[in-house]
Amino acid sequence: DGGITQSPKYLFRKEGQNVTLSCEQNLNHDAMYWYRQDPGQGLRLIYYSQIVNDFQKGDIAEGYSVSREKKESFPLTVTSAQKNPTAFYLCASMGRLRTEAFFGQGTRLTVV
Amino acid sequence: QKEVEQNSGPLSVPEGAIASLNCTYSDRGSQSFFWYRQYSGKSPELIMSIYSNGDKEDGRFTAQLNKASQYVSLLIRDSQPSDSATYLCAVSPEQGGGNKLTFGTGTQLKVEL
Repeated sequence: DGGITQSPKYLFRKEGQNVTLSCEQNLNHDAMYWYRQDPGQGLRLIYYSQIVNDFQKGDIAEGYSVSREKKESFPLTVTSAQKNPTAFYLCASMGRLRTEAFFGQGTRLTVV
Repeated sequence: QKEVEQNSGPLSVPEGAIASLNCTYSDRGSQSFFWYRQYSGKSPELIMSIYSNGDKEDGRFTAQLNKASQYVSLLIRDSQPSDSATYLCAVSPEQGGGNKLTFGTGTQLKVEL
């Protein structure tokens, strides 16, 4: 089945630790996105990529980093510089001809 | 001014009634508009997309777009308890994939028995 897979579903991070969230898609989509959602809030854009080896900062990129070495993969690293990382992280992808974004099931990150 | 604005709700409607959800956006160059439904703890799923002024109907759902007023709405007819969720409005500057997609904060809908 085609889709977007995020892993892990739950992730716990210690203070000062970097963690990487995985996002893989087999939809042959060019564009991929990372969003953050806090309780009772909408989605805020962290980074997005329209093509391999290229990506742009979204509205809240500070403390995060990404890479796009393969079309299928867009991992997000939450660095120690992100002071309040506890949130629900959503990865999405979008095809070239259609503008609907499709989402993975999300990763819930908690700082312990 | 936020790029995409929605009333956070909750919006409560009785079962069988019409629910009306509204969204305004600030970028006049916006071309693509979407409504997503999100159940608690789950990821958003696409309900409707609309690109031209006017109405677009799909089953019990109707999306309405007015670019002059920078306004997009979603009507849900014959509301069911299973429609209780948060509805997110999303806006993109251009048609075609790969552009920045901005979401509103969402409106919580409660359909009461």
